[in-house]
Amino acid sequence: GENVEQHPSTLSVQEGDSAVIKCTYSDSASNYFPWYKQELGKRPQLIIDIRSNVGEKKDQRIAVTLNKTAKHFSLHITETQPEDSAVYFCAASDPGTYKYIFGTGTRLKVLA
Amino acid sequence: DAGVTQSPTHLIKTRGQQVTLRCSPISGHKSVSWYQQVLGQGPQFIFQYYEKEERGRGNFPDRFSARQFPNYSSELNVNALLLGDSALYLCASNPGPGAVYGYTFGSGTRLTVV
Repeated sequence: GENVEQHPSTLSVQEGDSAVIKCTYSDSASNYFPWYKQELGKRPQLIIDIRSNVGEKKDQRIAVTLNKTAKHFSLHITETQPEDSAVYFCAASDPGTYKYIFGTGTRLKVLA
Repeated sequence: DAGVTQSPTHLIKTRGQQVTLRCSPISGHKSVSWYQQVLGQGPQFIFQYYEKEERGRGNFPDRFSARQFPNYSSELNVNALLLGDSALYLCASNPGPGAVYGYTFGSGTRLTVV
């Protein structure tokens, strides 16, 4: 089945700098890759997603890139703000099933 | 428009007991998925239901069961609770089956087994 690895596990950046979180997946048939943001004690919230027929998607300060050949996808956050501090999870659709496989999460700290 | 609602928000149970968690999906959504999130880890898939039928099951023991009702709400039952069942249980709804839509998660039920 699908396996998703996520790096780094923690990331500290200065306010205004960029942050990049990377994930790799194992099954080349995966076709959907969402990213979730989870603040302490709250539910995961979908912040951006990408389908396998697209290489890049951008929404204001957030972008996701997908390299199908290398089987990896990345979340890019520009001009980071303190409110971006949270745990970020990547996920990949598991082909042939009805589930997502989540990465282990990245704790992002934006230092003011 | 209400989001995904889960109840209760917190629960403390003793080992060996049984628990029932409840979820109401977004209006119009017919698919409900259940995930377990242990502290410090990503959510792990437990079940997906669509149109009241089980569409997928994760690698969880038979102590875990679920069902979906005609109004598309869902219950997750866990029998013979173990300490390791302590986790945040998340319900997610989406319009249809499969993983082509972004889930909307509820706020979860935090279960503590003592």
